[in-house]
Amino acid sequence: GESVGLHLPTLSVQEGDNSIINCAYSNSASDYFIWYKQESGKGPQFIIDIRSNMDKRQGQRVTVLLNKTVKHLSLQIAATQPGDSAVYFCAEANTGNQFYFGTGTSLTVIP
Amino acid sequence: GAVVSQHPSRVICKSGTSVKIECRSLDFQATTMFWYRQFPKQSLMLMATSNEGSKATYEQGVEKDKFLINHASLTLSTLTVTSAHPEDSSFYICSAIATNTGELFFGEGSRLTVL
Repeated sequence: GESVGLHLPTLSVQEGDNSIINCAYSNSASDYFIWYKQESGKGPQFIIDIRSNMDKRQGQRVTVLLNKTVKHLSLQIAATQPGDSAVYFCAEANTGNQFYFGTGTSLTVIP
Repeated sequence: GAVVSQHPSRVICKSGTSVKIECRSLDFQATTMFWYRQFPKQSLMLMATSNEGSKATYEQGVEKDKFLINHASLTLSTLTVTSAHPEDSSFYICSAIATNTGELFFGEGSRLTVL
């Protein structure tokens, strides 16, 4: 399958600060990307998605940026809260709707 | 909202036995479902794509005879781990695509421990 990886395996931020989680992907043909949050012992929870015809998409406190030139996407979390502590995965999808997940970044928010 | 339910959420079995995990879409139909496995502190690895009424498509390196997938209805896919061994112990997660909207939903996972 496609190779999707993350630059930083762990990230610690102070409560209230902004968090940036990065992801690199290898398949230039991928046209759909999703960020997921996973808490311990639970399934992935959808955060935000973006299609390849966009380079930025904003949600509530979250923003995803897509740079197709360097095959990189990032997740920005504004005013990080303790409840944001989790593992974050990026995933890329092909035309068959099969999702391939990146390595994951463990985000710890320090109160 | 749409829910994907997995059962059992936790299962412990003896080595050599077979274990079946169910994935149900509770309020939507899903022509396509996916099965993932996840080892501790690692990412989700796609195992196979399950299509209703047809054979599953397995990812490279996944043994189809070891991990039997059946998608007999539009709301149910099952994963059977046959002749389980301790190295099969893992967190198995399914996801389902809602046929009418194309949205993807994940189950809460099933933790398998093989003694």
